[in-house]
Amino acid sequence: QKEVEQNSGPLSVPEGAIASLNCTYSDRGSQSFFWYRQYSGKSPELIMFIYSNGDKEDGRFTAQLNKASQYVSLLIRDSQPSDSATYLCAVDAGAQKLVFGQGTRLTINP
Amino acid sequence: GAVVSQHPSWVICKSGTSVKIECRSLDFQATTMFWYRQFPKQSLMLMATSNEGSKATYEQGVEKDKFLINHASLTLSTLTVTSAHPEDSSFYICSASRTSGRLNNEQFFGPGTRLTVL
Repeated sequence: QKEVEQNSGPLSVPEGAIASLNCTYSDRGSQSFFWYRQYSGKSPELIMFIYSNGDKEDGRFTAQLNKASQYVSLLIRDSQPSDSATYLCAVDAGAQKLVFGQGTRLTINP
Repeated sequence: GAVVSQHPSWVICKSGTSVKIECRSLDFQATTMFWYRQFPKQSLMLMATSNEGSKATYEQGVEKDKFLINHASLTLSTLTVTSAHPEDSSFYICSASRTSGRLNNEQFFGPGTRLTVL
């Protein structure tokens, strides 16, 4: 059973600070990793994807991947209240399927 | 690009009735569509994988006779919840993968359908 683990939170971060979200996965053979943001009552939207070890930056978002340790993280710099949402980590499970973590609820406090 | 629509966005029905949910890829052809269910404060649980022109592949524990999936074309998949009961009330979300693109397993999500069974 392929598993993806996230701290469910809630994680509270002051506005302007860095929010750090972490995810671990069980399948060492996984190649693709995704971060989705989901607002309450809405469907997920893709924030970042990463394939290679190291960091990948896109605006205020940085994804970090460490395949040896089987973890992937998402950093949000200069956090804004609009970043308050649930962040879902997803890992490819073969056959185009994704396995999702339970999500981390992030709250940015003004 | 890569827009996925779902219809209806919400539905309320009586116990014992059947409900059909449509998922459409509006501006691309989808080789594969996925159906998820999400209960409050929980993550997405994959129900089934649907490929155009073939039978859907259901995840363990999902009743294929209760959740009928039809993938008639590269842009349309439907999920029918048959003989719905209150425990089937949930947020149903579809996603679609493109036939080509930079990510061969990136999924584009529809807006979801909230089903309430009375």
